Formats: sequence, C-alpha cells, structure tokens
Amino acid sequence: GENVEQHPSTLSVQEGDSAVIKCTYSDSASNYFPWYKQELGKRPQLIIDIRSNVGEKKDQRIAVTLNKTAKHFSLHITETQPEDSAVYFCAASKPRGYNKLIFGAGTRLAVHP
Amino acid sequence: NAGVTQTPKFRVLKTGQSMTLLCAQDMNHEYMYWYRQDPGMGLRLIHYSVGEGTTAKGEVPDGYNVSRLKKQNFLLGLESAAPSQTSVYFCASSYSGRGDEQYFGPGTRLTVT
Repeated sequence: GENVEQHPSTLSVQEGDSAVIKCTYSDSASNYFPWYKQELGKRPQLIIDIRSNVGEKKDQRIAVTLNKTAKHFSLHITETQPEDSAVYFCAASKPRGYNKLIFGAGTRLAVHP
Repeated sequence: NAGVTQTPKFRVLKTGQSMTLLCAQDMNHEYMYWYRQDPGMGLRLIHYSVGEGTTAKGEVPDGYNVSRLKKQNFLLGLESAAPSQTSVYFCASSYSGRGDEQYFGPGTRLTVT
C-alpha cells in the first residue's frame, strides 16, 4: 500500500528565515497531496494542496512543489513568523480511492523570534 | 455552522470497558473518516464511510467498529478497550471522494488504563 515519508521530524528556524519540509510517496497512482497544519492541542487544518497535473502552487508565504518522476513533494514557507510554529503533516491520496489520506509522520516547526 | 464536532472531548476507560465516540457534521458531506493520532506516527485511518449506511476498513481497523445510520453522524465504537488504544481520535469529513479538503473535528483524547 501507499507509504508517505516526511523529513525532517523537527525543524528550528529564526524568524524571517525560510523553512522547507519534504515528503516522498511510494504509490505512483497518487494524485492529490495536501498539507495540514496542527497547532498544539488543536485539530489539523488544510493550508495548501496540490494535484498531480500541477508542478507548483503558491499562496502568499506558502508554496508546494511536486516532482512526479521522483515521487516527492515539498512545502516551502518563506519569511517565517512565530505563529508558523506548529506540526505540519503531508499526505497523499489516489483517484478512486475515496479520498483516503495516507499521512506522513509530521514535522514539528519552531520559529524563534 | 458548527462544522465537525466530536463528543466527548476526554475520556478515561479501564481495560475491557466499552465506549462510543460520536462525530457529527452539518456540512452535508458524503464522506466521513475516523483517524487516530499517536506521537511520532501522524494520523492513521481507522474506518471510513462513503455515504449513509456504508462503512469500510482503513489502515488500522482492528478493535474498532463503526456505524453511519444518519448522513450527518459517524460513530466509532470500542467494544473492549485495550491500553494500545490510548490515543487522540479525530473525525473528518469531505464533500466528495475526489481529492477534496477533509475538515477535522476537535478530537477526543482517550486514555485506557
């Protein structure tokens, strides 16, 4: 079955720096790749997603890139702020897969003022 | 619009006891999901439903049962709780099964002693 690996498990940056989180997936049939942000004690919330027919997507300070050939996708956060501190999860799902998401193990991002 | 709600928020069970977690959504979503979240392991799918009256197994279904008698509700049952089921349980829903955003509930923290 599908497997999603996520690196690094923890990431510490200074405010204003960029942060990059990388994920690889095993099933080449996967075509939907969302990223969720989870603040301490809260529910996961979608921050950006990308589909396999697109190589890059941006939303203000957040961008996601997808390399289908290498089966990896990455989250880029620019000009990080303390409120970006959270756990970030990548996920993958397949077409005709009932939107079932396979999640990575998560990356704990700490942004220091 | 409450979105996705879960009851209870916290629960402590003794080994062998049973309980039911309730998930409700008011967005008229067809698809609903139950996940468990353990430290360092991301979210893992327990069971899911593609519509009223349907249920199916996810990645880690053993020890759990589910029911979807009404479109807006998805129940997760533990018939005989075990310490290995200590976890945070999240319910989610989505409009369709084709790469749609999943909306998560606030979670239920369950401890089995």
